[in-house]
Amino acid sequence: KQEVTQIPAALSVPEGENLVLNCSFTDSAIYNLQWFRQDPGKGLTSLLLIQSSQREQTSGRLNASLDKSSGRSTLYIAASQPGDSATYLCAVRPTLGRGSTLGRLYFGRGTQLTVWP
Amino acid sequence: EAQVTQNPRYLITVTGKKLTVTCSQNMNHEYMSWYRQDPGLGLRQIYYSMNVEVTDKGDVPEGYKVSRKEKRNFPLILESPSPNQTSLYFCASSLGQNTGELFFGEGSRLTVL
Repeated sequence: KQEVTQIPAALSVPEGENLVLNCSFTDSAIYNLQWFRQDPGKGLTSLLLIQSSQREQTSGRLNASLDKSSGRSTLYIAASQPGDSATYLCAVRPTLGRGSTLGRLYFGRGTQLTVWP
Repeated sequence: EAQVTQNPRYLITVTGKKLTVTCSQNMNHEYMSWYRQDPGLGLRQIYYSMNVEVTDKGDVPEGYKVSRKEKRNFPLILESPSPNQTSLYFCASSLGQNTGELFFGEGSRLTVL
């Protein structure tokens, strides 16, 4: 069964810092990986989706990379702002034929980020 | 506006009283899924549906039922709720089972006394 781990579990930084959040997964047979943001009491907002054939995706100050062979993804946040404070989650979709089924999705437990002014 | 809508957003109920949490999406998505989120356990998949009349179990299906009679709706049914089903529930949808981003509803906070 796919297991997804996110390190660190919590991170507190001053405004302006560049950050790296990590996501690792145990089975490299994935279809895609998605990064989400969750604000307290809210649903998940999609940030970036990386297909297994891609190495990275960028959106504004966010850059996500994927190294499928090593089972790792990183989310890079440039010039962090207090408004970036939230929990960041990654999720992987496994490919068919590896003891899993299309439609399954596995989440990490998230990194709780606090950016203080 | 493209969205996934869940109702109710908040519910307090008692053990054994059947309830349904509705989920509707307006994006013509084929794939829909339910998750529960608990402190220390993260998000866990309950059931998912890859299209109308096609549903399958996730990691924690016990105590839940689903149906997918129409493409836009995917209700979650708790036939006889118990206190261990107290949780925050999320519905999500995407274009296909592996296609496109996953969009989430705002969540439904359920308390079973």
